[in-house]
Amino acid sequence: QVQLVQSGPEVKKPGSSVRVSCQASGGTLSSYTFGWVRQAPGHGLDWMGSFIPFFGTPNYAQKFQGRVTLSADKYTSTVYMELRGLRSEDTATYYCATVGVTRDFDFWGQGTPVTVSS
Amino acid sequence: QSALTQTPSASGSPGHSVTISCTGTSSDVGAYNYVAWYQQHPGRAPKLIIYEVTKRPSGVPDRFSGSKSGNTASLTVSGLRSDDEADYFCSSYAGNDNYVFGTGTKVTVL
Repeated sequence: QVQLVQSGPEVKKPGSSVRVSCQASGGTLSSYTFGWVRQAPGHGLDWMGSFIPFFGTPNYAQKFQGRVTLSADKYTSTVYMELRGLRSEDTATYYCATVGVTRDFDFWGQGTPVTVSS
Repeated sequence: QSALTQTPSASGSPGHSVTISCTGTSSDVGAYNYVAWYQQHPGRAPKLIIYEVTKRPSGVPDRFSGSKSGNTASLTVSGLRSDDEADYFCSSYAGNDNYVFGTGTKVTVL
């Protein structure tokens, strides 16, 4: 089964960008669909987008359209999530996960806390 | 896409059962049998415990069961144990490669 290891905590200024990485082991990157989910402190889970690396274009949740980009590097088996135009409301823990053929999020990274503060 | 609605909290005594609901619309929960449930302990990543409405991944005890009727899915935890105390979230496929999660339910074991 796949294992997902994410990059460490980030502290960012409002208006800046953050890129979170998620390194996968235990399979070929393009064999999986990857999803990104965020969780603001004390809140629920919020799907941001999903994609199959190197196959087709990512699908982004409407609320993040234009601010988020999902990408991948096949040489390091790493997927990335970049979020631009950060605001305080983007303070959250960001998770990568694999999306199973049964449309569920079956394996999760450990999460990356992102704090947006001036 | 609006979040699926879950009751904020639920509780039960050890050995008893608790049922959590997840209400969506005819465009997500009601349209597809792709409802999943996740358990999340504080400071940890969510863990998949139910998929395709009723199925359990390997290693998940049969104390966890799922069902669906119309636009509402439910998760029942039977034989409550102290380590079942956690947050529970549902998710649903919403078509066109879109997904939606529930607002979450905090389960307390009394």
